[in-house]
Amino acid sequence: GNSVTQMEGPVTLSEEAFLTINCTYTATGYPSLFWYVQYPGEGLQLLLKATKADDKGSNKGFEATYRKETTSFHLEKGSVQVSDSAVYFCARRRNYGGATNKLIFGTGTLLAVQP
Amino acid sequence: DGGITQSPKYLFRKEGQNVTLSCEQNLNHDAMYWYRQDPGQGLRLIYYSQIVNDFQKGDIAEGYSVSREKKESFPLTVTSAQKNPTAFYLCASSIESGQAYEQYFGPGTRLTVT
Repeated sequence: GNSVTQMEGPVTLSEEAFLTINCTYTATGYPSLFWYVQYPGEGLQLLLKATKADDKGSNKGFEATYRKETTSFHLEKGSVQVSDSAVYFCARRRNYGGATNKLIFGTGTLLAVQP
Repeated sequence: DGGITQSPKYLFRKEGQNVTLSCEQNLNHDAMYWYRQDPGQGLRLIYYSQIVNDFQKGDIAEGYSVSREKKESFPLTVTSAQKNPTAFYLCASSIESGQAYEQYFGPGTRLTVT
């Protein structure tokens, strides 16, 4: 089964609301964790990443903390904008160590922000 | 500007025909990947290549083929053996190894087979 689990969407918020998208993972070791964002009709863009436990990734007002105790990497933003409407994917590096950078993705969470 | 290009953006084919999707990168990355995206299923890995002239099957390789003759290029052929080829296809690349390195994605090709 998929070892990255995200909360199901859609998540619908009003502008300036607080956002949390939950992500948990199962893994051996401590693989790097990522959040990607996909705007309609486009490819994925890296939003932020964390490479070891307790790291906090941040970008464009979004944050996520690598929590090994709860095996989680929840995405948060204090005040969302209409332009944040997109699908958000949580991912982890497939292998802890090793030579390849293959990723395992969650199923994605659609965020819709209303004005 | 460095990046990944995929062409065409939309592709239509009749059932029973093979079709090749293009992926080119000028990031000087060693590794390249092909994913398929279906609604509600996230991204699934079709094939990946860590170096020129070498590639490996991913999780859903049946009905697909690839080649890696040049570092910059990793074309994907969707064959007539693929039972459900209509999907959004994404190509990505990365530095070959290292914990901190992310994948960079192209804009995708939406394939419709009727």
